[in-house]
Amino acid sequence: SQTIHQWPATLVQPVGSPLSLECTVEGTSNPNLYWYRQAAGRGLQLLFYSVGIGQISSEVPQNLSASRPQDRQFILSSKKLLLSDSGFYLCAWRYSGGADTQYFGPGTRLTVL
Amino acid sequence: KQEVTQIPAALSVPEGENLVLNCSFTDSAIYNLQWFRQDPGKGLTSLLLIQSSQREQTSGRLNASLDKSSGRSTLYIAASQPGDSATYLCAVSLFTTSGTYKYIFGTGTRLKVLA
Repeated sequence: SQTIHQWPATLVQPVGSPLSLECTVEGTSNPNLYWYRQAAGRGLQLLFYSVGIGQISSEVPQNLSASRPQDRQFILSSKKLLLSDSGFYLCAWRYSGGADTQYFGPGTRLTVL
Repeated sequence: KQEVTQIPAALSVPEGENLVLNCSFTDSAIYNLQWFRQDPGKGLTSLLLIQSSQREQTSGRLNASLDKSSGRSTLYIAASQPGDSATYLCAVSLFTTSGTYKYIFGTGTRLKVLA
């Protein structure tokens, strides 16, 4: 069976500090991977998605970047965090090919102070 | 640009009531529509997926319909229970030039079922 992991579960960081959130998927190969952010009281905003190693598509210009160094690893980064980067970050995967469902990880709660 | 709207934003009902959650989208060129459930501080769980060629899907007490031409979907929950309390999100999938699908989410309906 497939599982998706995210870490850390919670993070409190000062403004201006760097960020690295990691997402890994087990039990499948060549998944499509997605990063979302959910700000307080708001819906999910798609940030980045990837169809393969080194292939990143950005949805919203912002203070964040994403990388996919391995097939089942997706990393969200920032060089300098802003207060507005606070939120709940969710990683998701889906099977490549076919428009079927996404499977979500447990999320990372980021608070920037 | 695809926009997804959900009404109402919040809903509180007594246990046992049947209820309807609404989702509307501005661009009918979608590949499928999904309804998800999110418990506080948790990830999302898929409830129902409706392909663009389908009109409805059912799972237990849940029924979702899709009217692609009018840009609307409804999620019907029968005989609501306190355990149904959660935020319900709808999402439409769009094909991308990268050769995959991306998902645009609505802002959600926060449901509370009172015992």
